[in-house]
Amino acid sequence: GAVVSQHPSWVICKSGTSVKIECRSLDFQATTMFWYRQFPKQSLMLMATSNEGSKATYEQGVEKDKFLINHASLTLSTLTVTSAHPEDSSFYICSAREVAAAYGYTFGSGTRLTVV
Amino acid sequence: GENVEQHPSTLSVQEGDSAVIKCTYSDSASNYFPWYKQELGKRPQLIIDIRSNVGEKKDQRIAVTLNKTAKHFSLHITETQPEDSAVYFCAAIMRGQNFVFGPGTRLSVLP
Repeated sequence: GAVVSQHPSWVICKSGTSVKIECRSLDFQATTMFWYRQFPKQSLMLMATSNEGSKATYEQGVEKDKFLINHASLTLSTLTVTSAHPEDSSFYICSAREVAAAYGYTFGSGTRLTVV
Repeated sequence: GENVEQHPSTLSVQEGDSAVIKCTYSDSASNYFPWYKQELGKRPQLIIDIRSNVGEKKDQRIAVTLNKTAKHFSLHITETQPEDSAVYFCAAIMRGQNFVFGPGTRLSVLP
């Protein structure tokens, strides 16, 4: 089946620094990738939708200058949390949709970010 | 936009009993309804899904029912086991759009 690799699985960083998270589809092409954030004991909240070769679409309340998304190829999307603060600590998960599938979504393994 | 509600938020059952989780959605254009199981610190795993042209789907101990008229769908787990303990999320989606997840149900199966 389709596999999405997400790295790193966990990261601890200092306040004010930036962190990059990678989401890579290993055996399929993904025209669209989604980035979610999940706080403890809460549901997955969509942050942004990235389409290969174009600018990401951000959900209301998500700062595009803080959460930089790049989807430069059909197999790779990156999320960069800039100037991280403790309140950015969360579980970040990507999902990718296959080019040929209307409903073929596959989730990455997630990244637990802790900002100290 | 789509809004998905899910009940109950927590559910405890004895091992061997059945568990039922219910979700409602608001957008009648939604036509795909997956259910995900998420264990602590791990990614959501698709356990079963149903499309709007089907009323019921079953896979061993897991079944999902859909009532399009009422805009609700339910997850049924029979003969529950301790390893079924997790958080379960329902979701609704229109073709080509992103998922809208329910708030989740924390299921505890007591031995």
